[in-house]
Amino acid sequence: EAGVAQSPRYKIIEKRQSVAFWCNPISGHATLYWYQQILGQGPKLLIQFQNNGVVDDSQLPKDRFSAERLKGVDSTLKIQPAKLEDSAVYLCASSRGKDTQYFGPGTRLTVL
Amino acid sequence: DAKTTQPTSMDCAEGRAANLPCNHSTISGNEYVYWYRQIHSQGPQYIIHGLKNNETNEMASLIITEDRKSSTLILPHATLRDTAVYYCIVRVGDSGGGADGLTFGKGTHLIIQP
Repeated sequence: EAGVAQSPRYKIIEKRQSVAFWCNPISGHATLYWYQQILGQGPKLLIQFQNNGVVDDSQLPKDRFSAERLKGVDSTLKIQPAKLEDSAVYLCASSRGKDTQYFGPGTRLTVL
Repeated sequence: DAKTTQPTSMDCAEGRAANLPCNHSTISGNEYVYWYRQIHSQGPQYIIHGLKNNETNEMASLIITEDRKSSTLILPHATLRDTAVYYCIVRVGDSGGGADGLTFGKGTHLIIQP
């Protein structure tokens, strides 16, 4: 069974630019999560999708972050405009509903 | 905030059993204990989870105290590849279809010494 796929693996941008990350969950997993992991800390949930609907986006900075999962499969997380403090690893995870979450390798974002 | 407390770091000799403790004194009756680990530059990897009984799989064993206020993850024969940050997480077993994102603390940095 293929794992969670994410791209790109690394991205370097300047502040105020925009950036997008892509995630393809494990086949058949209805629930998809985006986490942000700042260096030295544990991952923090940004948004949770159930199929193509948002379940929880309470910790998503909505003035600059957006996410979508239009067809209930893959998802895109966007930051516009980026700030220095957005430098982090962005992790995508998926699960069969309330089952165990499986994580992708992450996208390391550096904002200069 | 994370509902668990773990030591910041631990060392273990290669080939020996690594015992990682976790305190979760405010755990509720419907909350499971999950363990993940994160090897450098990789995403978190699921290890094991349990509710109240001890659990074992091919990676590790999970021992949960009778009062469920603490648990221990056991890696029976640690290798250098087990060097990682280990996260103990408390998670509701059935959120009724609601939010169930994981709340990570800072975890325990386990270093396996050759």
